[in-house]
Amino acid sequence: QSVLTQPPSASGTPGQRVTISCSGSSSNIGSNYVYWYQQLPGTAPKLLIYRNNQRPSGVPDRFSGSKSGTSASLGISGLRSEDEVDYYCAAWDDSLSGWVFGGGTKLTVL
Amino acid sequence: QVQLVQSGAEVKKPGASVKVSCKASGYTFTGFYMHWVRQAPGQGLEWMGRINPDSGGTNYAQKFQGRVTMTRDTSISTAYMELSRLRSDDTVVYYCAREGELTEFDYWGQGTLVTVSS
Repeated sequence: QSVLTQPPSASGTPGQRVTISCSGSSSNIGSNYVYWYQQLPGTAPKLLIYRNNQRPSGVPDRFSGSKSGTSASLGISGLRSEDEVDYYCAAWDDSLSGWVFGGGTKLTVL
Repeated sequence: QVQLVQSGAEVKKPGASVKVSCKASGYTFTGFYMHWVRQAPGQGLEWMGRINPDSGGTNYAQKFQGRVTMTRDTSISTAYMELSRLRSDDTVVYYCAREGELTEFDYWGQGTLVTVSS
Protein backbone atom coordinates (compact mmCIF):
# COMPACT_ATOMS: atom_id res chain seq x y z
CA GLN A 1 0.00 0.00 0.00
CA SER A 2 1.62 3.24 -1.15
CA VAL A 3 1.66 6.31 1.09
CA LEU A 4 0.66 8.56 -1.81
CA THR A 5 -2.54 7.64 -3.62
CA GLN A 6 -2.79 7.67 -7.40
CA PRO A 7 -5.48 6.23 -9.65
CA PRO A 8 -4.14 2.97 -11.12
CA SER A 9 -5.19 4.00 -14.60
CA ALA A 10 -6.12 6.99 -16.69
CA SER A 11 -7.01 7.38 -20.33
CA GLY A 12 -7.59 9.90 -23.06
CA THR A 13 -7.71 10.27 -26.80
CA PRO A 14 -4.97 11.81 -28.94
CA GLY A 15 -4.87 15.58 -28.58
CA GLN A 16 -6.91 15.54 -25.40
CA ARG A 17 -5.79 16.78 -21.97
CA VAL A 18 -5.66 14.37 -19.06
CA THR A 19 -4.94 14.88 -15.39
CA ILE A 20 -3.44 12.39 -12.97
CA SER A 21 -4.02 13.01 -9.27
CA CYS A 22 -1.78 12.27 -6.31
CA SER A 23 -3.18 12.46 -2.80
CA GLY A 24 -1.14 12.57 0.36
CA SER A 25 -1.15 14.09 3.81
CA SER A 26 0.18 17.01 5.81
CA SER A 27 3.45 15.20 6.48
CA ASN A 28 4.32 14.74 2.82
CA ILE A 29 2.58 16.69 0.05
CA GLY A 30 1.16 19.18 2.54
CA SER A 31 4.59 20.34 3.64
CA ASN A 32 7.02 19.34 0.90
CA TYR A 33 7.56 19.52 -2.82
CA VAL A 34 6.02 17.02 -5.20
CA TYR A 35 7.92 15.34 -7.99
CA TRP A 36 6.64 13.38 -10.97
CA TYR A 37 8.42 10.60 -12.83
CA GLN A 38 7.65 8.90 -16.10
CA GLN A 39 8.58 5.28 -16.65
CA LEU A 40 8.66 3.47 -19.94
CA PRO A 41 8.35 -0.33 -19.82
CA GLY A 42 11.57 -2.01 -18.79
CA THR A 43 13.43 1.23 -18.15
CA ALA A 44 14.34 3.40 -15.19
CA PRO A 45 12.04 6.25 -14.20
CA LYS A 46 12.73 9.64 -15.71
CA LEU A 47 12.19 12.98 -13.98
CA LEU A 48 9.22 14.80 -15.45
CA ILE A 49 8.32 17.53 -12.94
CA TYR A 50 10.27 18.79 -9.94
CA ARG A 51 9.33 21.09 -7.09
CA ASN A 52 5.59 20.87 -7.82
CA ASN A 53 5.53 22.52 -11.22
CA GLN A 54 9.01 22.87 -12.72
CA ARG A 55 10.02 21.07 -15.89
CA PRO A 56 13.58 19.90 -16.46
CA SER A 57 15.11 20.94 -19.74
CA GLY A 58 13.98 18.64 -22.49
CA VAL A 59 10.57 17.92 -21.05
CA PRO A 60 7.86 19.29 -23.35
CA ASP A 61 5.62 22.02 -22.05
CA ARG A 62 2.68 19.66 -22.66
CA PHE A 63 3.50 18.38 -19.18
CA SER A 64 2.58 20.48 -16.17
CA GLY A 65 2.34 20.02 -12.42
CA SER A 66 0.34 21.65 -9.68
CA LYS A 67 -0.20 21.29 -5.96
CA SER A 68 -2.91 22.36 -3.57
CA GLY A 69 -2.94 21.44 0.07
CA THR A 70 -2.27 17.73 0.41
CA SER A 71 -2.91 16.88 -3.24
CA ALA A 72 -1.04 17.31 -6.46
CA SER A 73 -1.75 16.66 -10.08
CA LEU A 74 0.09 16.06 -13.32
CA GLY A 75 -1.44 17.47 -16.46
CA ILE A 76 -0.67 16.23 -19.94
CA SER A 77 -2.08 18.20 -22.85
CA GLY A 78 -2.04 17.36 -26.53
CA LEU A 79 -1.99 13.66 -25.67
CA ARG A 80 0.25 11.54 -27.89
CA SER A 81 0.65 7.80 -28.28
CA GLU A 82 4.11 7.90 -26.71
CA ASP A 83 2.58 9.24 -23.50
CA GLU A 84 1.11 5.79 -22.92
CA VAL A 85 3.43 4.81 -20.06
CA ASP A 86 3.46 4.82 -16.25
CA TYR A 87 3.58 7.93 -14.07
CA TYR A 88 4.59 8.21 -10.41
CA CYS A 89 4.38 11.03 -7.89
CA ALA A 90 6.83 11.36 -5.03
CA ALA A 91 7.41 13.54 -1.98
CA TRP A 92 9.50 13.62 1.15
CA ASP A 93 7.57 12.53 4.23
CA ASP A 94 8.51 14.33 7.46
CA SER A 95 6.91 11.70 9.71
CA LEU A 96 8.62 8.78 8.03
CA SER A 97 11.84 10.72 7.38
CA GLY A 98 11.96 9.25 3.93
CA TRP A 99 10.74 9.53 0.38
CA VAL A 100 7.32 8.16 -0.46
CA PHE A 101 5.86 7.34 -3.85
CA GLY A 102 2.44 6.91 -5.32
CA GLY A 103 1.46 3.48 -6.61
CA GLY A 104 1.71 4.68 -10.18
CA THR A 105 -0.80 5.47 -12.90
CA LYS A 106 -0.83 3.69 -16.22
CA LEU A 107 -1.94 6.08 -18.93
CA THR A 108 -3.74 4.68 -21.95
CA VAL A 109 -4.09 6.68 -25.14
CA LEU A 110 -7.23 5.40 -26.81
CA GLN B 1 27.51 13.32 -19.24
CA VAL B 2 26.23 11.87 -15.99
CA GLN B 3 25.98 8.10 -15.95
CA LEU B 4 25.09 5.58 -13.28
CA VAL B 5 25.97 2.03 -14.23
CA GLN B 6 24.78 -0.77 -12.00
CA SER B 7 26.04 -4.31 -11.58
CA GLY B 8 24.34 -7.20 -13.29
CA ALA B 9 21.44 -9.42 -12.33
CA GLU B 10 21.80 -11.72 -9.35
CA VAL B 11 20.16 -14.94 -8.22
CA LYS B 12 20.25 -15.62 -4.50
CA LYS B 13 18.81 -18.17 -2.10
CA PRO B 14 16.48 -17.16 0.73
CA GLY B 15 18.43 -16.01 3.75
CA ALA B 16 21.45 -14.95 1.71
CA SER B 17 22.73 -11.42 1.10
CA VAL B 18 23.17 -9.43 -2.09
CA LYS B 19 25.38 -6.44 -2.82
CA VAL B 20 24.53 -4.22 -5.75
CA SER B 21 26.95 -1.62 -7.06
CA CYS B 22 26.35 1.69 -8.81
CA LYS B 23 29.30 3.29 -10.58
CA ALA B 24 28.97 7.01 -11.17
CA SER B 25 30.69 9.05 -13.84
CA GLY B 26 30.43 12.48 -15.40
CA TYR B 27 30.19 14.44 -12.16
CA THR B 28 31.78 14.84 -8.74
CA PHE B 29 30.68 11.70 -6.95
CA THR B 30 31.01 13.18 -3.46
CA GLY B 31 28.88 16.18 -4.32
CA PHE B 32 25.50 14.49 -4.53
CA TYR B 33 23.53 12.08 -2.36
CA MET B 34 22.85 8.64 -3.82
CA HIS B 35 19.54 6.93 -3.21
CA TRP B 36 18.34 3.38 -3.68
CA VAL B 37 14.82 2.69 -4.91
CA ARG B 38 13.31 -0.67 -5.67
CA GLN B 39 10.43 -1.89 -7.78
CA ALA B 40 8.68 -5.24 -7.71
CA PRO B 41 7.53 -6.61 -11.07
CA GLY B 42 4.51 -4.65 -12.22
CA GLN B 43 4.45 -2.68 -8.99
CA GLY B 44 5.28 0.81 -7.78
CA LEU B 45 8.49 2.41 -6.58
CA GLU B 46 9.77 2.02 -3.03
CA TRP B 47 12.50 4.14 -1.44
CA MET B 48 15.09 2.20 0.52
CA GLY B 49 17.46 4.87 1.72
CA ARG B 50 20.29 7.17 0.80
CA ILE B 51 23.97 7.73 1.37
CA ASN B 52 26.03 10.88 1.48
CA PRO B 53 29.06 9.83 -0.61
CA ASP B 54 31.14 12.56 0.98
CA SER B 55 30.69 11.64 4.64
CA GLY B 56 29.36 8.11 4.26
CA GLY B 57 26.35 9.05 6.38
CA THR B 58 23.21 7.07 5.68
CA ASN B 59 19.45 7.27 6.16
CA TYR B 60 17.40 4.13 5.75
CA ALA B 61 13.67 3.60 5.32
CA GLN B 62 12.17 2.15 8.48
CA LYS B 63 11.09 -0.96 6.60
CA PHE B 64 14.69 -1.88 5.79
CA GLN B 65 16.41 -0.85 9.02
CA GLY B 66 18.66 -3.65 10.21
CA ARG B 67 18.66 -5.41 6.87
CA VAL B 68 20.17 -2.86 4.49
CA THR B 69 23.64 -1.34 4.43
CA MET B 70 24.67 1.41 2.04
CA THR B 71 28.33 2.14 1.53
CA ARG B 72 30.57 3.84 -0.97
CA ASP B 73 34.09 3.78 -2.34
CA THR B 74 35.05 7.30 -3.33
CA SER B 75 38.26 6.12 -5.02
CA ILE B 76 36.19 4.47 -7.74
CA SER B 77 33.05 6.64 -7.52
CA THR B 78 30.89 3.68 -6.65
CA ALA B 79 27.97 3.29 -4.26
CA TYR B 80 26.84 -0.04 -2.89
CA MET B 81 23.61 -1.38 -1.45
CA GLU B 82 23.71 -4.63 0.50
CA LEU B 83 20.51 -6.33 1.56
CA SER B 84 20.67 -9.27 3.94
CA ARG B 85 18.32 -12.06 5.00
CA LEU B 86 16.76 -12.12 1.58
CA ARG B 87 13.18 -13.29 1.16
CA SER B 88 11.16 -14.14 -1.90
CA ASP B 89 9.50 -10.72 -1.84
CA ASP B 90 12.91 -9.12 -2.27
CA THR B 91 12.76 -10.34 -5.88
CA VAL B 92 12.62 -6.91 -7.43
CA VAL B 93 14.61 -4.47 -9.55
CA TYR B 94 16.91 -2.23 -7.53
CA TYR B 95 17.78 1.23 -8.84
CA CYS B 96 20.33 3.75 -7.71
CA ALA B 97 19.35 7.36 -8.27
CA ARG B 98 21.29 10.57 -7.81
CA GLU B 99 19.72 13.37 -5.82
CA GLY B 100 20.13 16.55 -7.80
CA GLU B 101 20.56 20.09 -6.57
CA LEU B 102 16.82 20.57 -6.21
CA THR B 103 16.34 17.30 -4.30
CA GLU B 104 15.00 15.58 -7.35
CA PHE B 105 16.12 12.15 -8.52
CA ASP B 106 17.70 13.48 -11.67
CA TYR B 107 19.72 10.50 -12.88
CA TRP B 108 18.98 6.81 -12.46
CA GLY B 109 20.93 3.63 -12.97
CA GLN B 110 19.63 1.05 -15.39
CA GLY B 111 18.38 -1.20 -12.61
CA THR B 112 19.54 -4.54 -11.24
CA LEU B 113 17.18 -7.49 -11.02
CA VAL B 114 17.70 -9.60 -7.93
CA THR B 115 15.89 -12.93 -7.90
CA VAL B 116 15.48 -14.74 -4.61
CA SER B 117 14.68 -18.39 -5.14
CA SER B 118 15.49 -21.69 -3.54
